Amino acid sequence: DAKTTQPTSMDCAEGRAANLPCNHSTISGNEYVYWYRQIHSQGPQYIIHGLKNNETNEMASLIITEDRKSSTLILPHATLRDTAVYYCIVRVAIGGTSYGKLTFGQGTILTVHP
Amino acid sequence: DVKVTQSSRYLVKRTGEKVFLECVQDMDHENMFWYRQDPGLGLRLIYFSYDVKMKEKGDIPEGYSVSREKKERFSLILESASTNQTSMYLCASNPRGTVTYEQYFGPGTRLTVT
Repeated sequence: DAKTTQPTSMDCAEGRAANLPCNHSTISGNEYVYWYRQIHSQGPQYIIHGLKNNETNEMASLIITEDRKSSTLILPHATLRDTAVYYCIVRVAIGGTSYGKLTFGQGTILTVHP
Repeated sequence: DVKVTQSSRYLVKRTGEKVFLECVQDMDHENMFWYRQDPGLGLRLIYFSYDVKMKEKGDIPEGYSVSREKKERFSLILESASTNQTSMYLCASNPRGTVTYEQYFGPGTRLTVT
């Protein structure tokens, strides 16, 4: 699996966009970029994933550079409840009886302040 | 709303005790996972199951066993608890055939072995 690099911590003002970067320069063609977050004392929560096109859902947007070596998770209007550790993961997607494991690194601690 | 529940949020056990951690999901998912999460080590897979009575070892199965007698329930067993098994234990599930790593996590059980 490709290795990812994220900043240790970031701050964001409530109501502003939070832009969380992730470097994955060794990503291969069949690997997806996934984002999870973990709010304190809770289990991880899936946010979004993408292969090469930008993706958007009700929680966030994912921007992947054309060379796929980096990506940015965007929370368009951050709230205090978005304070969490955000994990960027790169994995190959497997079909059929997929049950691939997840491995989280250290992630980025995002603090949203009033 | 999809839900993965774990039997306890906090648990304190003594060295040598047999410990049972229960996980139940109400989404009819075929795949279920047990992870442990430790500071500095991220999330590590202990065991997973892709069907009733089926199990596969993850990265760190030593000292653990699992049981899946019903589709909705996946139990993690510490045969003889040791202090190095003090950790946050997370259960997750996803449906068979998913081509993503979108997993649904429970709230976690913080186990302390004294």
